[in-house]
Amino acid sequence: GENVEQHPSTLSVQEGDSAVIKCTYSDSASNYFPWYKQELGKGPQLIIDIRSNVGEKKDQRIAVTLNKTAKHFSLHITETQPEDSAVYFCAVSNSGGYQKVTFGTGTKLQVIP
Amino acid sequence: DTEVTQTPKHLVMGMTNKKSLKCEQHMGHRAMYWYKQKAKKPPELMFVYSYEKLSINESVPSRFSPECPNSSLLNLHLHALQPEDSALYLCASSQVQTSTDTQYFGPGTRLTVL
Repeated sequence: GENVEQHPSTLSVQEGDSAVIKCTYSDSASNYFPWYKQELGKGPQLIIDIRSNVGEKKDQRIAVTLNKTAKHFSLHITETQPEDSAVYFCAVSNSGGYQKVTFGTGTKLQVIP
Repeated sequence: DTEVTQTPKHLVMGMTNKKSLKCEQHMGHRAMYWYKQKAKKPPELMFVYSYEKLSINESVPSRFSPECPNSSLLNLHLHALQPEDSALYLCASSQVQTSTDTQYFGPGTRLTVL
């Protein structure tokens, strides 16, 4: 089955700095890569996603890059704010007959004011 | 509106109790999911319903019994649970069950089994 590795497991940055979270996956047939943000006591919320025909996607302070050859993708958050503090999960979706999302192990981001 | 609602928010039950978790969405989505999430871990898929029919059961013990009464509702019936079943139970939905369809998650039910 699909194997998704996510690094780092924890990340502390000063407010205003950038944060980068990286994920690698194993199944070259995977073609959908969402990122979820989970705040304490809440369910995961989609913040950005990318599909395999696109190399980069940006939404205000958040961007995701995808390298299908190397089978890795990254989340970039610029100008971090305290409200960005949360656990972030990358995920990979297979291209089989049904959608099973495989999640990374999560990154706890702390933005220090 | 991308809201998935779940009730109750918290649930404490004994090992001999029977209880149910409820999930609702009004986005017209035809795929609905149950996930289990332990502390500091990613969500783990339990069940998938597609067009009100169970399409995926990830080898979940029979003490968890899902039900999809209609396209907007998803239930998870619990019976004879074990303390290790304590976790956050998340419901999600997507338009259809395809590999590139976005899943929207509810806030979860925090379950404690005594």
